[in-house]
Amino acid sequence: DVKVTQSSRYLVKRTGEKVFLECVQDMDHENMFWYRQDPGLGLRLIYFSYDVKMKEKGDIPEGYSVSREKKERFSLILESASTNQTSMYLCASSSIPPLIGRNSPLHFGNGTRLTVT
Amino acid sequence: DAKTTQPNSMESNEEEPVHLPCNHSTISGTDYIHWYRQLPSQGPEYVIHGLTSNVNNRMASLAIAEDRKSSTLILHRATLRDAAVYYCIRVEYNFNKFYFGSGTKLNVKP
Repeated sequence: DVKVTQSSRYLVKRTGEKVFLECVQDMDHENMFWYRQDPGLGLRLIYFSYDVKMKEKGDIPEGYSVSREKKERFSLILESASTNQTSMYLCASSSIPPLIGRNSPLHFGNGTRLTVT
Repeated sequence: DAKTTQPNSMESNEEEPVHLPCNHSTISGTDYIHWYRQLPSQGPEYVIHGLTSNVNNRMASLAIAEDRKSSTLILHRATLRDAAVYYCIRVEYNFNKFYFGSGTKLNVKP
């Protein structure tokens, strides 16, 4: 079974702090994603990465950066945390299917609930 | 808009079938339709996916309209464990862009 592990389940940080959210997957997946989830807004894509050192902006990248130095690890960085970044953060991974049309679902971690005070 | 639209909430009785609708009127010809569900305090999990034809698996069935502008997830006999938020999402053919909407919260009554 694919396992996506997020380093913290709950995190409380102060405004202005630099925050690192870590995510590790154990299935050699090429793609990794960071989403945030807020009530009434569903899941919104922050950044994704399709290879080591590669990244692309999602729908809401402002205030965030990412790092992917190794294939299994994808980090989300809040350079200067603000209260409007209080949210549930979900990491996910997926593989590139060997053939077009074959399935390649997302595998999610259980999330990190970040509170910025 | 790349996202899908779903009703905010639905209710079902236990042991009865549930039909969860989704509109994706701007879907392109190569986009897949995926369904995920999220149980409380967990990340979303994959349920089913399809392109043009109806699909069945052990969890659910997926009915896709002929024009592909809408689809329906069918749970044949709802159980209390099926109470969750269900997301219908568009997936680009190379599986690196997944567009989530706000989902449908399904409540199952005993």
